[in-house]
Amino acid sequence: DTVLTQSPALAVSPGERVSISCRASEGVNSYMHWYQQKPGQQPKLLIYKASNLASGVPARFSGSGSGTDFTLTIDPVEADDTATYFCQQSWNDPRTFGGGTKLELK
Amino acid sequence: EVQILETGGGLVKPGGSLRLSCATSGFNFNDYFMNWVRQAPGKGLEWVAQIRNKNYNYATYYAESLEGRVTISRDDSKSSVYLQVSSLRAEDTAIYYCTREGRRSDFDYWGQGVMVTVSS
Repeated sequence: DTVLTQSPALAVSPGERVSISCRASEGVNSYMHWYQQKPGQQPKLLIYKASNLASGVPARFSGSGSGTDFTLTIDPVEADDTATYFCQQSWNDPRTFGGGTKLELK
Repeated sequence: EVQILETGGGLVKPGGSLRLSCATSGFNFNDYFMNWVRQAPGKGLEWVAQIRNKNYNYATYYAESLEGRVTISRDDSKSSVYLQVSSLRAEDTAIYYCTREGRRSDFDYWGQGVMVTVSS
């Protein structure tokens, strides 16, 4: 299975820029997607196919990368962005998720 | 508007079985792959199973950790997908989400999830 590795947690101040990384154990082409999950809620699609903003998602969110290294960037970070962010690949079967990065605001 | 609603969760004794249902509306169900994803309390997301559409002969895929204990199925006439889980263990305790796999192979719509608790 394709293992996706994310750092477990980050803390930033509102107004700053934050980058959340996701590294795949094997190439996933551009088929990396990002989700935001707030406590008590289902995940929400933010970015599809590495760099495309999902409908209704603020332009503060962006994605980049291809192959094995991907990044979700939030600039500027707002208080409402407190959440856990998951990457997920759909190039290789089975679909797999990263362990999630919990973003906290200082 | 796309809607996804899971039902069938609850408290089950170890060794028991459960059938989760996922009813959908607001899109052409026949065109899409459907997946189940679960999340144990305080943990991350774990993909569980996928069923493809008729064009792909309703092919099914399962997480290795659950293979042999889960069966995913769909009823296109009811726009619904199901997950049968047997020989339940405490570690199967989780919220189970039903998700639509979009045309870009992302999980673009999610249900609210249904809680399954395995305990004696």
